[in-house]
Amino acid sequence: EIVLTQSPTTMAASPGEKVTITCRASSSVSYMHWFQQKSGTSPKPWIYDTSKLASGVPDRFSGSGSGTSYSLTISSMEAEDAATYYCLQRSSYPFTFGSGTKLEIK
Amino acid sequence: QVQLQQSGAELAKPGSSVKISCKASGYTFTSYYISWIKQTTGQGLEYIGYINTGSGGTNYNEKFKGKATLTVDKSSSTAFMQLSSLTPDDSAVYYCARRPYFDYWGQGVMVTVSS
Repeated sequence: EIVLTQSPTTMAASPGEKVTITCRASSSVSYMHWFQQKSGTSPKPWIYDTSKLASGVPDRFSGSGSGTSYSLTISSMEAEDAATYYCLQRSSYPFTFGSGTKLEIK
Repeated sequence: QVQLQQSGAELAKPGSSVKISCKASGYTFTSYYISWIKQTTGQGLEYIGYINTGSGGTNYNEKFKGKATLTVDKSSSTAFMQLSSLTPDDSAVYYCARRPYFDYWGQGVMVTVSS
């Protein structure tokens, strides 16, 4: 099973600040996918195939990476971006999720 | 619009079973597999497995073999997951999601196992 390690576990960013969340895989994966979850709601698809934004996702978000290291970046933090972000790998069965990064607004 | 509507919260006793449902609408049900995901505060998101909504074929994460049983009723566009021999460790929110991109999720079902 591929283990996904996200960092940081929690963080707080000021409005306008650049934010980077990292997801490291224990073995190489072809793509990484990201989900946003707010309290009491289901995860929402956010970034798929490493760098493609899901429908409705603001273009201040971007994704990048390859092999065992991937990242989600927010170019300029906004209050509505406060949420927990999870990475997911679908390259190897069983699919696995990262443990999540809780992002808060300062 | 695409929707996955899950059944309501369950309170179950240790050793019992529960069966939760996921009713799809807004698309051709048999064109997409349905996956199931477990979410707990401690373990985060865990992938349980998937069901081929056309053939009924299933694939399980080894961790959930013997715990989860996935079935489907094509006539009602509904996928089901039965959880058996429940223990407090099975207390969680369970989601269904449409594969392959997990682009639509149900609202989640909270299962609480307590005597």
